[in-house]
Amino acid sequence: DAKTTQPTSMDCAEGRAANLPCNHSTISGNEYVYWYRQIHSQGPQYIIHGLKNNETNEMASLIITEDRKSSTLILPHATLRDTAVYYCIAILTSGGGADGLTFGKGTHLIIQP
Amino acid sequence: NAGVTQTPKFQVLKTGQSMTLQCAQDMNHNSMYWYRQDPGMGLRLIYYSASEGTTDKGEVPNGYNVSRLNKREFSLRLESAAPSQTSVYFCANSERNTEAFFGQGTRLTVV
Repeated sequence: DAKTTQPTSMDCAEGRAANLPCNHSTISGNEYVYWYRQIHSQGPQYIIHGLKNNETNEMASLIITEDRKSSTLILPHATLRDTAVYYCIAILTSGGGADGLTFGKGTHLIIQP
Repeated sequence: NAGVTQTPKFQVLKTGQSMTLQCAQDMNHNSMYWYRQDPGMGLRLIYYSASEGTTDKGEVPNGYNVSRLNKREFSLRLESAAPSQTSVYFCANSERNTEAFFGQGTRLTVV
């Protein structure tokens, strides 16, 4: 699985869009980009994933660049409950991967009131 | 998280004691995992089970054993606990074409 690079921390004002970048310059053509988040002391929670096209669900949007070397997770209207560590993970299969996820340190997103 | 139950939620052990962390899922997924998370760190994979009857080592397996009792249950055993095993332990499950679901964690302190 390709290595991903994320900023250590970010701030965002409540009600604004939070844009979390992820660099995955060595990603291969059949690796998906997955995003999870971990709210303090809880288990990680799946947010969204994509391969080439932009994706949107009820939680967030995922924008993947045309060359697939980077992506951005967008939380459209951040709330205080979105304060969490966000993990960007490149995975070889279309699913969670039978051999587990490799977590980095992620981005600590702090939503300011 | 719904569908993944970990027990106990908290545990304090003395060095050298043994214990088993239990994980059960009602999502009918084939793959199950055990992770540990130390303060300020990301999760690290201890062991995983791609399907009932199979287990494999992850990144940090030393000092642990696992049992995939059936499709629902995947237990993690510490035979002789050490202070370095003080951590938060998370169980997870998935299918190959879906996302992973995590439990709420077991907070273990070894003194």
